[in-house]
Amino acid sequence: KQEVTQIPAALSVPEGENLVLNCSFTDSAIYNLQWFRQDPGKGLTSLLLIQSSQREQTSGRLNASLDKSSGRSTLYIAASQPGDSATYLCAVLAGGGADGLTFGKGTHLIIQP
Amino acid sequence: KAGVTQTPRYLIKTRGQQVTLSCSPISGHRSVSWYQQTPGQGLQFLFEYFSETQRNKGNFPGRFSGRQFSNSRSEMNVSTLELGDSALYLCASSLDARQRVQYFGPGTRLTVT
Repeated sequence: KQEVTQIPAALSVPEGENLVLNCSFTDSAIYNLQWFRQDPGKGLTSLLLIQSSQREQTSGRLNASLDKSSGRSTLYIAASQPGDSATYLCAVLAGGGADGLTFGKGTHLIIQP
Repeated sequence: KAGVTQTPRYLIKTRGQQVTLSCSPISGHRSVSWYQQTPGQGLQFLFEYFSETQRNKGNFPGRFSGRQFSNSRSEMNVSTLELGDSALYLCASSLDARQRVQYFGPGTRLTVT
């Protein structure tokens, strides 16, 4: 059974810092990996999708990498801003597409002004 | 393009009752997935519908059911509600959940008393 772990569970940093969020998964047979952010009481906003054949994806100040063989992904946020404060969730879609997305518990990020 | 919409946004029900939640996917999307989010278990996959057929099902009791209509709108039903069913229920739509980004709606907050 696929399991996804995110470290750290919470992070608080001053504005302007670059930071890295980590995600690991137990079964490397995945279709894709997706990073989301969730604001309090809201739904999920998709940030980046990495297909299993890709190594990284970039969108603005965000860069996500995927190392399928080691079961790891990182989300890099450059020049953090208070508006980046949210919970960041990593999710994998297992090979075969069954069981839907498997989510980690998330990293709760606070950017201090 | 309108995003994923879910109705109602908030719902309070009593134990033993049943409830129906609705999800309208992004126009043109044929895949609709449902997830339950609770503080203890995080996000868990319920089921996925594609072109009116249930393609995948998560590990939830038979009290949880769903369907998809020809216009891709989906409903999920929970019968004989239990206190533990209190959660945020999120719906996600995609062109094809196996290949593409999944876009989430704002969710329906269900409280069972």
